Amino acid sequence: EIVLTQSPATLSLSPGERATLSCGASQRVSSRYLAWYQQKPGLAPSLLIYDASSRATGIPDRFSGSGSGTDFTLTISRLEPEDSAVYYCQQYGSSPLTFGGGTKVQIK
Amino acid sequence: EVQLVESGGGLVQPGRSLRLSCAASGFTFDDYAMHWVRQAPGKGLEWVSGISWNSGSIGYADSVKGRFTISRDNAKNSLYLQMNSVRAEDMALYYCAKGYTSGWHTLVDYWGQGTLVTVSS
Repeated sequence: EIVLTQSPATLSLSPGERATLSCGASQRVSSRYLAWYQQKPGLAPSLLIYDASSRATGIPDRFSGSGSGTDFTLTISRLEPEDSAVYYCQQYGSSPLTFGGGTKVQIK
Repeated sequence: EVQLVESGGGLVQPGRSLRLSCAASGFTFDDYAMHWVRQAPGKGLEWVSGISWNSGSIGYADSVKGRFTISRDNAKNSLYLQMNSVRAEDMALYYCAKGYTSGWHTLVDYWGQGTLVTVSS
């Protein structure tokens, strides 16, 4: 099983700042099959990024994904108040599919 | 518009069974894989099980293998999760989720709102 470790656990930043979220895999994620999801309180998660760097439909370009192998990053270039949420990475290249533990982004 | 509506959650005693259902609409159901993903109260996401478009390929998390069974009825646009020998650690909000492609080794692009399973004697 591929274990995904997200860091930091919590990120507290001001509007307009840049957020960098990390997702480390215990084994290589094949074909860059890594996704990022955003979950706001009381709501279901929603897809942000797939295949490590492709933005899902309707996702603003301030969200970007990068990485390969075992190290992946989600960057939010200019934080908006509505970006306050928990962000999860997920690998779907190997069975079983696995999620990271999440990074909580707080807007000051 | 893609809609996924879960049902069947509720209070279940340890060791008993429960069957979750998911009614799908707004897309061609039998073109896509489907998943169940759960979230324990205050915790992160855990993938539970996935099924390919034609039920030909299925996967389970180790934590539920041998106890849970995923299935689908393409004629009814419905997904199911049969939960047997339920444990306290199975208590969670269970999300029905649409796969991005037809095989179950795929990401989720749409989520339902979830159905809550509470395990207590």
